[in-house]
Amino acid sequence: AQRVTQPEKLLSVFKGAPVELKCNYSYSGSPELFWYVQYSRQRLQLLLRHISRESIKGFTADLNKGETSFHLKKPFAQEEDSAMYYCALRQYGGSQGNLIFGKGTKLSVKP
Amino acid sequence: GAGVSQSPSNKVTEKGKDVELRCDPISGHTALYWYRQSLGQGLEFLIYFQGNSAPDKSGLPSDRFSAERTGGSVSTLTIQRTQQEDSAVYLCASSSRTGRNEQFFGPGTRLTVL
Repeated sequence: AQRVTQPEKLLSVFKGAPVELKCNYSYSGSPELFWYVQYSRQRLQLLLRHISRESIKGFTADLNKGETSFHLKKPFAQEEDSAMYYCALRQYGGSQGNLIFGKGTKLSVKP
Repeated sequence: GAGVSQSPSNKVTEKGKDVELRCDPISGHTALYWYRQSLGQGLEFLIYFQGNSAPDKSGLPSDRFSAERTGGSVSTLTIQRTQQEDSAVYLCASSSRTGRNEQFFGPGTRLTVL
């Protein structure tokens, strides 16, 4: 079964602390992994995708096929990082297939 | 340019009534998606349109749900005989064939079924 699991509903850290949002997936083919973010009263937007191997707003994520994970990390959290984060996947090379989302993790960064 | 727009932003209806939700994708985007965001359930895929191809309806939860896309642009999601469990935020997204194929999301329609 195709599934994305985000084990933490809520993650609370202090400003300046490292943060890791966990994502594990189950997929029979070769997946393309994404992290989407939704800030308060804003629309859902793409944060980063594994094929780009980029760092956005200080966040990075590495695809670990052995552990079927795609955890999102940032070494020093900022208050403006507080948001809802969704991990998602689709068939790699599937061009425009639908995304399969996890249930999301709410990140709260305290001052 | 303008992003994906959806209307209405909020809809309150009574159980058993039909509702129509509208999505205007980004101009030139050939792919259009509908998702449902329920409390505690995350985002669930509903239906996907690609150009003039037959839509992928595999995510529709029941035959009360249907969607159409006219002229390859605007899409309407219709829910017949609404139930309380249909209450959710309905999100629309669109993407192009070129570039990163990133899905751009609309602001959503919050549906409340009383």
